Amino acid sequence: GAGVSQSPRYKVAKRGQDVALRCDPISGHVSLFWYQQALGQGPEFLTYFQNEAQLDKSGLPSDRFFAERPEGSVSTLKIQRTQQEDSAVYLCASSLGGSQGANYGYTFGSGTRLTVV
Amino acid sequence: AQSVTQLGSHVSVSEGALVLLRCNYSSSVPPYLFWYVQYPNQGLQLLLKYTSAATLVKGINGFEAEFKKSETSFHLTKPSAHMSDAAEYFCAVQKTSYDKVIFGPGTSLSVIP
Repeated sequence: GAGVSQSPRYKVAKRGQDVALRCDPISGHVSLFWYQQALGQGPEFLTYFQNEAQLDKSGLPSDRFFAERPEGSVSTLKIQRTQQEDSAVYLCASSLGGSQGANYGYTFGSGTRLTVV
Repeated sequence: AQSVTQLGSHVSVSEGALVLLRCNYSSSVPPYLFWYVQYPNQGLQLLLKYTSAATLVKGINGFEAEFKKSETSFHLTKPSAHMSDAAEYFCAVQKTSYDKVIFGPGTSLSVIP
């Protein structure tokens, strides 16, 4: 597609509920990133995929967070047993990756705003 | 570890005035540097990037930034602010093209008519 698509745009979850957030990157983009952005703050890195391989998951805040990209395209970020502190905007970004990653920067989706009540 | 500081969480300028948003990075080697802009309820959009070519980088919407190694700075400027420039601006650093991008806390820019 022309841009990075994220769905749903908004999600309200009851505390303890599981949620799944979807990211559809730009076609041909090798690298895919998930960031968490709390209100009034900068995006915080969660995890990074190169194709289907998850190369860095150091930013995932707990084992309740899980991400996958099984075919090297669409990615899903899953949060189990949601807590109020999980409320944030979850941003997905993609890039060409490798040595071209810095030359073109990231293309971000519009994000999914998760509210846990 | 890489980090980015942005002096001033909120900056207000008059329409037509100079915009200056400050960014300093910590790195043992010159990294890749970026400025992103975020409009309300939207994702981040790349304004400009420094990738070890020219130290003065020109971006979209009339913005530019200068990489100063001696000051470890990458301040963003625009000669004349427009109302449409009101947004959140994030400075970001990347150690190598294979590393993740680390974002600063952001500066909210208000433009007063």
